[in-house]
Amino acid sequence: SAVISQKPSRDICQRGTSLTIQCQVDSQVTMMFWYRQQPGQSLTLIATANQGSEATYESGFVIDKFPISRPNLTFSTLTVSNMSPEDSSIYLCSVVPLGGTGGGNYEQYFGPGTRLTVT
Amino acid sequence: QKEVEQNSGPLSVPEGAIASLNCTYSDRGSQSFFWYRQYSGKSPELIMFIYSNGDKEDGRFTAQLNKASQYVSLLIRDSQPSDSATYLCAVKNSGYSTLTFGKGTMLLVSP
Repeated sequence: SAVISQKPSRDICQRGTSLTIQCQVDSQVTMMFWYRQQPGQSLTLIATANQGSEATYESGFVIDKFPISRPNLTFSTLTVSNMSPEDSSIYLCSVVPLGGTGGGNYEQYFGPGTRLTVT
Repeated sequence: QKEVEQNSGPLSVPEGAIASLNCTYSDRGSQSFFWYRQYSGKSPELIMFIYSNGDKEDGRFTAQLNKASQYVSLLIRDSQPSDSATYLCAVKNSGYSTLTFGKGTMLLVSP
């Protein structure tokens, strides 16, 4: 399966600043997603990263706060802008590998995550 | 609002027993269902997926799907302490390529 890396693995940031998280895959994928997982909680989808076009955001998430880029089939970035302590969370990218098991079955595989603490 | 419901647990089973994890979902049009395992401090790992009604077996894991009842389950046979983790049920949203995740069930397997 695809090898997914995220940078940074963790960071401590001051409120009001921004952090860009990178997600790199070692093979081409069809879809890339960004999730947030707050302590003790399940996964919440932030957006679908679309190659060469604007990301598709879920309800409650906006581009000004979470700008996303996806310049090619193997790389995406998520920026957390103007951070507040409420943004402290684990941010995860996930991918659907090209080909998968066939039939467009949408299995997602997750990167290792970025643990963000905002002080 | 599409929902995926799981008992939060913890579900405690002795080593060697069968662990049964359950999930119900609200989106009647959903066709694809996934089970992820998440160890504390780690990211979710895909362990099973199922698309057709009935059972699907992979080693010690069996996924069961009943679309009429909107119910999916995961059975873990011969449970091991290393199976202790949170198990997340995920459902593909009909008409979209996105997944909705349940809150997860914590499984504790005691030696």
